[in-house]
Amino acid sequence: SQQGEEDPQALSIQEGENATMNCSYKTSINNLQWYRQNSGRGLVHLILIRSNEREKHSGRLRVTLDTSKKSSSLLITASRAADTASYFCATVVSGYSTLTFGKGTMLLVSP
Amino acid sequence: NAGVTQTPKFQVLKTGQSMTLQCAQDMNHNSMYWYRQDPGMGLRLIYYSASEGTTDKGEVPNGYNVSRLNKREFSLRLESAAPSQTSVYFCASSPTSGGRDTQYFGPGTRLTVL
Repeated sequence: SQQGEEDPQALSIQEGENATMNCSYKTSINNLQWYRQNSGRGLVHLILIRSNEREKHSGRLRVTLDTSKKSSSLLITASRAADTASYFCATVVSGYSTLTFGKGTMLLVSP
Repeated sequence: NAGVTQTPKFQVLKTGQSMTLQCAQDMNHNSMYWYRQDPGMGLRLIYYSASEGTTDKGEVPNGYNVSRLNKREFSLRLESAAPSQTSVYFCASSPTSGGRDTQYFGPGTRLTVL
């Protein structure tokens, strides 16, 4: 079964709106990472948040981590059409050294 | 600075044929990875190399072999391709092992096995 699972599977919004995606995981982690994948392309790293951190920002992106609920959220503010992509969370499980990816959230931002 | 490059971009094989996917990075990273991505799925780790001279199995290693040729290059070989290996393959690299760093991905190789 997946270590990290994103919710919702798909999200459709208008430009200017905020987009929120959630990730839940099963076991304790060292860190959690968010990646973006444009159609037909490789993944691009967005943010890494460590298990002792609660919130990180990068431009229009805000990531929170709640280790007690084993969940994370990615907020994209003032969305643009160029934000249309699939977003994946990936976790590094404690005691392991590799990333485990979820199935992703497909975000569509309409002009 | 090209980052992570992969060749070929597209490949069609017949069942039973063999091929090698090439990956190179110019960022002087120690660790390199091979993933596969199937429709509607996240990435699954096939093999990784924490440092030059070492390789380890990931989640789905069956049917694949890898070679860490030097610090820059990490190849993935399919000895006898099967239709179940139809997928998009991504190579990635990171400065260190242990999952402490972000990973940098190549553009992918789209493989179809008939």
